[in-house]
Order: sequence, then structure tokens, then C-alpha cells
Amino acid sequence: DVKVTQSSRYLVKRTGEKVFLECVQDMDHENMFWYRQDPGLGLRLIYFSYDVKMKEKGDIPEGYSVSREKKERFSLILESASTNQTSMYLCASSTSVREIISNQPQHFGDGTRLSIL
Amino acid sequence: AQKVTQAQTEISVVEKEDVTLDCVYETRDTTYYLFWYKQPPSGELVFLIRRNSFDEQNEISGRYSWNFQKSTSSFNFTITASQVVDSAVYFCALSEYTGNQFYFGTGTSLTVIP
Repeated sequence: DVKVTQSSRYLVKRTGEKVFLECVQDMDHENMFWYRQDPGLGLRLIYFSYDVKMKEKGDIPEGYSVSREKKERFSLILESASTNQTSMYLCASSTSVREIISNQPQHFGDGTRLSIL
Repeated sequence: AQKVTQAQTEISVVEKEDVTLDCVYETRDTTYYLFWYKQPPSGELVFLIRRNSFDEQNEISGRYSWNFQKSTSSFNFTITASQVVDSAVYFCALSEYTGNQFYFGTGTSLTVIP
């Protein structure tokens, strides 16, 4: 079974802090994703990565950056946390078939509930 | 505009009733993929099914069935003889081949009452 592990289940930080959310997958998947989930808005894609050191912006990248130095690890960085970034953050991974990213299901971690005070 | 619309925000049914969760999508791609995920109270999204745009066959898996209709851009999900364990939030998702775009609906919260 695919295992996607997010480093923290709950996190509380203060406005202006630099926040790191870590995600590790153990299935050698090429693709990794960061979403945020908010009531009434569903899941919204922040960034994804299809290879080491490669990244693509999703729908809401503002205020976030990412890092993928190793294939199994994808980090989400809040450069200067703000209260509107309080949310549930979900990491996912997927494989590619014939270099197509979009046709495979994503496997999700348990989520990190981040509160910015 | 919403790429994936799940108009039903919350549904409650009594155990053993059938329930259908609606999903309507919008895309200009001819090649795309549709997914359903289940998110139980524990929080982790679990993959249920994938459909590609060239395969309109309906699918049944135990008590779950999916009805894909390109003519109405819908990919509805039916649970037959619902059980309390089916209580969860269900998400419909679309991914487009062109540009590798990924979209989730806002989810439908299903409560099955014993």
C-alpha cells in the first residue's frame, strides 16, 4: 500500500513565522501535490511537482513556495504566515504512466491542520 | 467558473436506503479523467474510482456504482443499501490531459443514520 506521511497532524504558528510542512511518500511516485481544504471550497491545488527540483503552480500559489530536493519528499513553505492561511493542508502523490501525470489516482496523507494566530 | 460542481452539500439518509451523489464537470479537453474519493472523519482521502473520457461504460463495485454520461457532463455515484460506514465526505475530481490541470469539487457530506 502507498503510504503518504505528513509530518504533523496539528500545527499552531504565529503570524509572520516561516512555516514548513513536510510530506514523504514511500512508493517512488514521480508526482507530488499540495492542496488546501477549506469548508465550502473543497480542495484547491497550491503546487505540484512531477520530478525532483521541478514544480508547477496550481490554482492558489500566492504566499506559498515548495521544495523537492529528493523524490520522496515534498515540502510546502509559508514564507510569512498569515491568518488567512489557517486551513487543512493535504499532500498527495501519484505515479505517471507513459509520462502522463493526469490519469492516475492520487494517494493522500492524513492532512495537517494548521492554525495561524 | 467551477470545473467540478457537486451541488449537494449535505445529504442524510436512513440506513439501507439508496443514495446518489451528483457530479457535473466542465472541460474543453477531449481527453480527461474523472475520479471519486471518499474522506471519512479520520481525514485521509481514499481513492474509489477513475474513469477516462473515452470509456462511458458504467461500473459497479459491490454496493457502489457510477454512471458516466458525456452528453450531460455528469459522473454520478450511487450507493445501494447504504450503511453507517458510508458516512463521509465524497469528492468528485477532474484532471485534464492538456496542461495537467487538477480540479476537485466542493464535496458532498453524506450521513447515514442507523
